Amino acid sequence: EVQLVESGGGLVQPGWSLRLSCTVSGFRISSNYMTWVRQAPGKGLEWVGNINRDGSEKNYVDSVKGRFTISRDNAKNSLYVEMNSLRVEDTAVYYCASAGAYSGGRSYYDSWGQGTLVTVSS
Amino acid sequence: DIQLTQSPSFLSASVGDRVTITCRASQGIASHLAWFQQKLGRAPRLLIYGASTLQSGVPSRFSGSGSGTEFTLTISSLQPEDSAIYFCEHFDSYPFTFGQGTRLDIK
Repeated sequence: EVQLVESGGGLVQPGWSLRLSCTVSGFRISSNYMTWVRQAPGKGLEWVGNINRDGSEKNYVDSVKGRFTISRDNAKNSLYVEMNSLRVEDTAVYYCASAGAYSGGRSYYDSWGQGTLVTVSS
Repeated sequence: DIQLTQSPSFLSASVGDRVTITCRASQGIASHLAWFQQKLGRAPRLLIYGASTLQSGVPSRFSGSGSGTEFTLTISSLQPEDSAIYFCEHFDSYPFTFGQGTRLDIK
């Protein structure tokens, strides 16, 4: 059974740091791009960033560039995001997703975790 | 950044109805678009990718079409379990972005 399990969320103050993890079972992530997507309470989905198969390429939305760092450990079948200088507007449920559906040179997220809530508040 | 605009934002329909949701891109994105379904308190679920390819396990009443700047998600015969929010997302160039979502209620 395919499972992605996020962990590491919680309540932090503005300016603090947090590291989220996504542990995967049921398939090897080494073949897939991996992605973080977030959803602020009651709002829509926002793509945060992704990382290629060997970790040599990372892409981010402008609002997190320079503050968030996505990494992966294929040996541990895990994905991470280090979040620094957290802001109130970073408050959201953070989902990890694996891009295992392919079409036209693109890969799409066919597996998602259940999400972990990050709350940034003083 | 490429903007995606979904219409309508809210839709109420009856069981058995045919329902269409539109997603318009601010510039051409070829067929690099996916549709997701999200139920309350759950993670999104991939329905359609590459604009028109049905994800494995998704009922055949769901279909997608379009290319360039205009895309549609169609549910051919609405079922009670289709009550959810539907999002489109483009995968053309970074940053990827989502539409604002369409909430679908069953009358």
